[in-house]
Amino acid sequence: NAGVMQNPRHLVRRRGQEARLRCSPVKGHSHVYWYRQLPEEGLKFMVYLQKENIIDESGMPKERFSAEFPKEGPSILRIQQVVRGDSAAYFCASSPLAGGLGNEQFFGPGTRLTVL
Amino acid sequence: KQEVTQIPAALSVPEGENLVLNCSFTDSAIYNLQWFRQDPGKGLTSLLLIQSSQREQTSGRLNASLDKSSGRSTLYIAASQPGDSATYLCAVRRGQGGSEKLVFGKGTKLTVNP
Repeated sequence: NAGVMQNPRHLVRRRGQEARLRCSPVKGHSHVYWYRQLPEEGLKFMVYLQKENIIDESGMPKERFSAEFPKEGPSILRIQQVVRGDSAAYFCASSPLAGGLGNEQFFGPGTRLTVL
Repeated sequence: KQEVTQIPAALSVPEGENLVLNCSFTDSAIYNLQWFRQDPGKGLTSLLLIQSSQREQTSGRLNASLDKSSGRSTLYIAASQPGDSATYLCAVRRGQGGSEKLVFGKGTKLTVNP
C-alpha cells in the first residue's frame, strides 16, 4: 500500500534553470495539493488539482510556476527560471474525496529544492 | 484571513513527562483540524483529525481537543518518550464549501530528553 510518492527527494538547480517536481498520489486518490515550506516557516498552500483540472491556484506565484495533474501519470509542479528564493521543501498531498469525511490529506516525503 | 498560531515554538522535557501543545486559529468557521508530526528532513505524518462537530480525538498516548468557538486546539502527549521528539504541526481547513487547502501553524519543536 504505497503512500504519496515524490521524486526527486533532493534537487539542486542553478539560477535560471527549470525545476520539475513529481508527485504520485495514493492509489485511487484523485485530488492533489502542493504546499511549500520555506526555511523557518510553516507550510503554505500553493495549488489544488483534480485530474486534468486546476481547482484552486490561489497560493501559486503568478509567474514562473505551473502545475498539472494529467489523466495518466503523476502531478508535476514546474518552476521555470529558478531563483535562490525558490529554495524550499515542496510537499505534495492527496485525498480520495473533496468535502465530507473522506477529505483527510496524506502527505508525501517532500522534494527539497536548492538553488545555487 | 485564517491565521494559525502554535505556542510554544519549542519545548524540551524529560522523558516520562505529560505535555500539552497549543494551537489557536483566528477564524472559527473551520471544517476540521489536523495535527501532524514532522521529523527533520522528512514529510508529514498525520496524527489526529478532528471534525468541527467533534470535541476530541484519541490515538494511543495522544489526545487532541477542539474548542471551535474559542479558536483553540490542544494536543496532549502522555508519558513522553525520546521517540516523540519531532516538530508538531497544527492545520485547519476552512468551512465546508470553501477551499480544500489547509492553513498551517509554524509548529512546536519538541525534544524529549532521556
